[in-house]
Amino acid sequence: EIVLTQSPATLSLSPGERVTLSCRASQSVSTYLAWYQQKPGQAPRLLIYDASNRATGIPARFRGGGSGTDFTLTISSLEADDFAVYYCQQRSIWPRSFGQGTKLEIK
Amino acid sequence: QEQMVESGGGLVKPGGSLRLSCAGSGFIFGDFFMNWVRQTPGKGLEWISYISSSGSSIFYADSVQGRFTISRDNAKNSLYLQMDSLRVEDSAIYYCAREPRYLYYFDLWGKGTTVTVSS
Repeated sequence: EIVLTQSPATLSLSPGERVTLSCRASQSVSTYLAWYQQKPGQAPRLLIYDASNRATGIPARFRGGGSGTDFTLTISSLEADDFAVYYCQQRSIWPRSFGQGTKLEIK
Repeated sequence: QEQMVESGGGLVKPGGSLRLSCAGSGFIFGDFFMNWVRQTPGKGLEWISYISSSGSSIFYADSVQGRFTISRDNAKNSLYLQMDSLRVEDSAIYYCAREPRYLYYFDLWGKGTTVTVSS
């Protein structure tokens, strides 16, 4: 099973700041990695797929990058609506797996 | 609009059974692969099962293999998860998640149904 490790666990930031989240895979997943956003009481929402492609309706301030074992999600300028938990997920090898999440909180 | 609604969650004793359902609407259900994903405060998100659009291909996580059974009825726009031999650690919010064959990720989720396994 591929283990995805996200860092940091929590980030405290202010609106307008730029942030980069990290996801590291225990073995290569090529570019078969997605990012999801989850707000309290809601289901996850797909943001980025295949490492760098924005899903339908996702603003351009969200950018994904990386390949192999190291991936990033960058939000160029945080908006109030962006404070949430972010998860990475790989589809390279069964079973699909998720990272443990990074929580973005308002400073 | 496109949506999925889970049902069937509840309180069950260890060793018991539950059957979850997921009803899709606003899209051609039979065109999509489907999955069940669960979430607990302690373990986060955990993918547990996949079924292809026709039902011919099925995968399970090791944690539920042999205890859970995924199925679908495209005529009824519905996905199911039969959960047997339930354990305390199966307590979670269970989501159904749609997977387009051109995307291979989860682009639409239900709101989830809560399963609590406790004596």
